[in-house]
Order: sequence, then C-alpha cells, then structure tokens
Amino acid sequence: QKEVEQNSGPLSVPEGAIASLNCTYSDRGSQSFFWYRQYSGKSPELIMFIYSNGDKEDGRFTAQLNKASQYVSLLIRDSQPSDSATYLCAVNPGSGGSNYKLTFGKGTLLTVNP
Amino acid sequence: TAGITQAPTSQILAAGRSMTLRCTQDMRHNAMYWYRQDLGLGLRLIHYSNTAGTTGKGEVPDGYSVSRANTDDFPLTLASAVPSQTSVYFCASSGTAGGQPQHFGDGTRLSIL
Repeated sequence: QKEVEQNSGPLSVPEGAIASLNCTYSDRGSQSFFWYRQYSGKSPELIMFIYSNGDKEDGRFTAQLNKASQYVSLLIRDSQPSDSATYLCAVNPGSGGSNYKLTFGKGTLLTVNP
Repeated sequence: TAGITQAPTSQILAAGRSMTLRCTQDMRHNAMYWYRQDLGLGLRLIHYSNTAGTTGKGEVPDGYSVSRANTDDFPLTLASAVPSQTSVYFCASSGTAGGQPQHFGDGTRLSIL
C-alpha cells in the first residue's frame, strides 16, 4: 500500500511568517511530487511540482525534495490570510508503463492569522 | 479557457435511483480520473482512464461505473445510489508524458437520501 502522510493540522501562523508544510511518502521509487491548495468548498488547485532533489522556488512558494529521506515540503514565505486553505501533497510513482495515477495525502489545514 | 467542466454542480438523489455525473475536458488530455472526497478520508480514486476506450478501477470502485468513448468525456454512473455515496465528486485529467500534474474540475456535491 503506497502511502502519503501529512500532518492534518491545523497549522496556525501569523501573517508575514513562514509556513512550513511537510509530507512523507512510502514508495521509494516515486518520481514526481505535487502540491495542491484547496480552499473550503472548492476544488484542488496545483501550486507547485518538483521532480529533482533540492529546492524549487516560485514566488513566495518553495518546494523542497529529499528522495533519500522520502520527504517533500512546501514553504510559504510572507504568509497572507489568503493562503489559509488545505494543502494536499500528491505523489506519482513514475514507475513506467501507464501509471499516471497520483496518491494524495489527506491534507494539512493552514490558518494564517492577521 | 474552460479546462474541465463537471455537471451538475450539486444534486439531491433518492436512494435506489441512478445518476450520471458528467465530466468534459478541452485540454486534449489522454488520462482522466474520478475521485470522491469525504471529510477525514481525503481524495480517493474511484475509476480512471489512461486513454479513450480503456478504463481501470481505483481504490473505491464498488457501486460506480465509467465509460470513455472519446478523449473529452468521462461520465461516472451510480446505478443504484446508496446513502454512503453522499460525497463531493471531482473529475480530473492529465497528460501522459510522465510526471504530469492532474487538473481538477469544480466538483459535484451529491447527497443521497
């Protein structure tokens, strides 16, 4: 059973702080990693993806991947109240063939307090 | 750009009735997926299709069926709805070039009474 684990939260940070969201996965052969943001009552929205070890930055968001530790994280700098949402980590095994499915974590609820 | 369109937005259905949730995408993605999302259980894959003419079972396929007659459409059918199928249903699609992200529709909120 391939699993993706996230702390359910809620994670509460003050406005302007750095929010750190973490995700671990069980399939060591996983190749592709995604972060989705889901506002209450809305659908998941892709915000970041990362394929290689290290950091990937996009505006206020940084995704970090450590395949040896089977760990992927999302940092949100200068957090804003509008960042308050559930963040979903998703992993694709990329094991070849026709496996395009993603395994999703259950999500971490982030609250940014003004 | 429309992306993925789901219909209806919401529906209340009597137990025992049948229902088809519609999903259409205009991104020419080969792969499509149906998920249900329930509080505390996250997103769970119901069925998927890697290309037109093929379908596969996901994590929770019982009570649901799908078809993929063409690239754009991927309807989900509940043949005889039960209250445990009350959920929010999301359709998604992705390319198949390896490591492609999935893009989601706005969802259908379904209540079975």
